[in-house]
Amino acid sequence: DAKTTQPPSMDCAEGRAANLPCNHSTISGNEYVYWYRQIHSQGPQYIIHGLKNNETNEMASLIITEDRKSSTLILPHATLRDTAVYYCIVRVWSGGSNYKLTFGKGTLLTVNP
Amino acid sequence: EAGVTQFPSHSVIEKGQTVTLRCDPISGHDNLYWYRRVMGKEIKFLLHFVKESKQDESGMPNNRFLAERTGGTYSTLKVQPAELEDSGVYFCASSLSLTPIYGYTFGSGTRLTVV
Repeated sequence: DAKTTQPPSMDCAEGRAANLPCNHSTISGNEYVYWYRQIHSQGPQYIIHGLKNNETNEMASLIITEDRKSSTLILPHATLRDTAVYYCIVRVWSGGSNYKLTFGKGTLLTVNP
Repeated sequence: EAGVTQFPSHSVIEKGQTVTLRCDPISGHDNLYWYRRVMGKEIKFLLHFVKESKQDESGMPNNRFLAERTGGTYSTLKVQPAELEDSGVYFCASSLSLTPIYGYTFGSGTRLTVV
């Protein structure tokens, strides 16, 4: 069911920007892209979401390509506490006014000192 | 503001027994969702409540699973009888609206082990 493809793992140096790519080539026009992360034994934590425009909040930036077939999550200054599995998720319509998040396998980001 | 709370955090039961998981959403959140990750698989949607009504239960695996949300506050997910393949982590999430500004808030999950 997952509509996203992500690299299984990435490394990043502490203090540098982490750029996590995601492909969602079959995304439909009204489907949002969400990013969550999961730190060991915790529940998924919301990071950011977007539809067409680039978005920024206090945690990260989300860059969505014009054709919406891919996106990049940017953590501007990665810290050791950002080590986690990052999920790029497409929220799909499941009928009526119902939506569900479709999780993929995610990217394990390891931030190194 | 308290987050989404799930009880118990861990449960170990024998095959054939019954287990009930509980989720307390953020106060005022009408939308409540159940998801689960079984061993080696991705996190999958189970169902969605709006207040006490089941809006979408397309992800429920079979009739051994029963979810309720009486009164539109907390929700329970009962597995009866439990099978080995039900082992995994069950997550609950809640939101104020269908497209919440700050995303869907997940609980820490209940790790269910069926032996």
